[in-house]
Amino acid sequence: SQTIHQWPATLVQPVGSPLSLECTVEGTSNPNLYWYRQAAGRGLQLLFYSVGIGQISSEVPQNLSASRPQDRQFILSSKKLLLSDSGFYLCAWSVSGGPRVYGYTFGSGTRLTVV
Amino acid sequence: DAKTTQPNSMESNEEEPVHLPCNHSTISGTDYIHWYRQLPSQGPEYVIHGLTSNVNNRMASLAIAEDRKSSTLILHRATLRDAAVYYCILSGPTNTGNQFYFGTGTSLTVIP
Repeated sequence: SQTIHQWPATLVQPVGSPLSLECTVEGTSNPNLYWYRQAAGRGLQLLFYSVGIGQISSEVPQNLSASRPQDRQFILSSKKLLLSDSGFYLCAWSVSGGPRVYGYTFGSGTRLTVV
Repeated sequence: DAKTTQPNSMESNEEEPVHLPCNHSTISGTDYIHWYRQLPSQGPEYVIHGLTSNVNNRMASLAIAEDRKSSTLILHRATLRDAAVYYCILSGPTNTGNQFYFGTGTSLTVIP
């Protein structure tokens, strides 16, 4: 069966520090991968998605970047965190071709607090 | 992108049925209707999805209007564990279908 792992679960970082969040998927090949962010009390905002190694689509201009160095690994990064980067970060995967028919599976999320 | 409209919040008594509505008047003929729910401090989880016909699974039922411009998620007997934000989503841009756009959903409160 397919599983998605996301870590760390919680993170407190000072303003100006770098960030690296990692997400890995097991039990499937060539998945579509996604990063979402949820600010406190808000809905989910799509940040990045990837349909293959090295292929990244950015939805919102921001202080963040994403990379996909391996088929089942998706990394969210920042060189210098801002206070506004605080939030709940979620990784998700769908089958190759997108979630249109079979939907998404989400990870358990990372709660990032920038202080 | 086709948009969905949901009430911001709803309340239900425990062990009673809950009907969560969703309007999607600009849905295209090939868009699937997906429902997810998000419990506090967790990632969203899949509930149900459908295309044209009504769907049932162990969690819920999905009733889709004949013109597909609206749908209703039905929880047959609400429990306290069903308190969550429920999202109704259409299956992404019709040109690629690669991503979901989540709205703010409906926050369901279950009253004991």
